[in-house]
Parts: sequence; C-alpha cells; structure tokens
Amino acid sequence: DGGITQSPKYLFRKEGQNVTLSCEQNLNHDAMYWYRQDPGQGLRLIYYSQIVNDFQKGDIAEGYSVSREKKESFPLTVTSAQKNPTAFYLCASRAGSSYNEQFFGPGTRLTVL
Amino acid sequence: AQSVTQLDSHVSVSEGTPVLLRCNYSSSYSPSLFWYVQHPNKGLQLLLKYTSAATLVKGINGFEAEFKKSETSFHLTKPSAHMSDAAEYFCVVTPPQAGTALIFGKGTTLSVSS
Repeated sequence: DGGITQSPKYLFRKEGQNVTLSCEQNLNHDAMYWYRQDPGQGLRLIYYSQIVNDFQKGDIAEGYSVSREKKESFPLTVTSAQKNPTAFYLCASRAGSSYNEQFFGPGTRLTVL
Repeated sequence: AQSVTQLDSHVSVSEGTPVLLRCNYSSSYSPSLFWYVQHPNKGLQLLLKYTSAATLVKGINGFEAEFKKSETSFHLTKPSAHMSDAAEYFCVVTPPQAGTALIFGKGTTLSVSS
C-alpha cells in the first residue's frame, strides 16, 4: 500500500534533549511538509521541501531542523532551542501539481517531561 | 493575500439531522479547494476536492460541498449526521505559488449527539 508513515507514534523527551521524528513516503511525491498542531490552533507549517536536498522554513521554524537527503524521507529534529515542543506533529506529502491535495501521515505526539 | 475562514469553531448537531460547516476563502486567482477530516489523534484524511470542474463536489461518507465563486464560499454539507462524523474538519485552499504549502483554515469541531 502506498502512503506515509511516521514514527514513533508517541515520543517522550526530557528538557534539553534533541529528538528526531521520522517521516517516510512511498508515493513518489516530490514535496513534503511538517506541521505542528496544538489544541484550537489548527495546523502550523514548520518546514517544507519541494525537492531532494532543498527545504524552506515555514511559519514556525525556530527550534526545528530538517534534512531531505532522499526523496522518500523527511525527518524533523526538535532541538532543545524549541521552548514549548509538546504538540502533535504531522507530516504530509504532495505530488508536483499545485492543484493537488496533500496526503498526511498518522502523526507523532511529542511530550516533554 | 489568500486566506481561508471557517466561520464556526464548533458545530453541534443531533444524529440524523443535517450538517453544515461553513468556509469562505479569498484569493486573487482560481484556487483548488479541499475539505479534510481529522479524528482524535489521527492524521488528516481528504473528504473531497474542487479543482474547477463541477461546482458541486461529492466526497466520501456522504459529504458534499458546493463551490460558489460569487460568494467565495465552499460550505460542507451532509444530509444526515452519524455519530462517527464527530471530528475536526479543515477547509483548505491551494496557494498561488506552485510548490508551497496548502493554506489551512483554523478548523471546525463537529459534535454529534444521540
């Protein structure tokens, strides 16, 4: 089955630690995205990548980093600089046309202890 | 600038009654429009999309939406609500620049009571 996988489903982090969230897709999509979701705030874009080895900051990139070394993979690192990282993180991908929808993974819930 | 406004943050209906979730958009071009649904602690699932073909779009689970250019609206409807429809719904519009991310509304939480 084609789709997007995110791991882990739940992640706990101590303050001051960096953690990396995995996102993999086998849809052969060029573009991939990371969103953060907090209660009552909808989705906020963290980073996106239109092509391998290239990515752009979204609206709330501070305290996060990404890489895009392979078309299938777009991992997100939540660094210790992110002041309030507890949230639900969603990864998405999209085929090339600007009129196409995005496909979403099941999400990772990150909790800082 | 393009934007999406979901007019209600929360809608409550009884099972078996109609559902109406309202969405207005603003853009200087002809966008594609989408509705997504999200159940608790899950990813988003596409309900339906409008891409300049028929203005009345049918989606999954009995939902449909009508694109009205004159009113810049794309309201989501369903004739009869089911308990399983309780979820959060997002109205989404394509951006003017290809390759950038979709533009999301803030979401509407739909509650369904028995």
